[in-house]
Amino acid sequence: KNEVEQSPQNLTAQEGEFITINCSYSVGISALHWLQQHPGGGIVSLFMLSSGKKKHGRLIATINIQEKHSSLHITASHPRDSAVYICAVHNTDKLIFGTGTRLQVFP
Amino acid sequence: KAGVTQTPRYLIKTRGQQVTLSCSPISGHRSVSWYQQTPGQGLQFLFEYFSETQRNKGNFPGRFSGRQFSNSRSEMNVSTLELGDSALYLCASSLRNEQYFGPGTRLTVT
Repeated sequence: KNEVEQSPQNLTAQEGEFITINCSYSVGISALHWLQQHPGGGIVSLFMLSSGKKKHGRLIATINIQEKHSSLHITASHPRDSAVYICAVHNTDKLIFGTGTRLQVFP
Repeated sequence: KAGVTQTPRYLIKTRGQQVTLSCSPISGHRSVSWYQQTPGQGLQFLFEYFSETQRNKGNFPGRFSGRQFSNSRSEMNVSTLELGDSALYLCASSLRNEQYFGPGTRLTVT
């Protein structure tokens, strides 16, 4: 069993839909990251959080430390949100990554 | 501020050769981490350097090594390349655990 599990693996949506990607982990963490990777490889860090909730524009990330679970929400999705979203946890000074969720948003 | 830069961006090598990849962190960042991304294994942590010292190491064979210079620039080296080393190699510099990724070096081993 992977230490960081993401669901779903693949997600398709119509423009404007509300999207949720989930991440569960089984190790102790000091922080959790949500990353975005576009075709071509570049990775952008969207959020780093260790408790509660953060919001940037249409993106919201939440974490429940007791449940060892985090969610990434995208409101009013847009085709430019199409990318792979990766959850990563900070465990003993290294990052452990989930396998990613491939999101496609169609106009 | 300039972002994290990696050179070269693309590289083709033959089995048995060695390769050196370079990473320049964001100015002021003293921590540099390296990651390997393959279709089969996803993203995996290679090692982290802080102030010229390797602070943490992932589960990779000794053919994978790295170093960090006094200006925080880092290099990673892979010796005796194998076909399975074909991957995207990413580095990230960090400040207070916030990670800033470079564009990656795509290595193809033939």
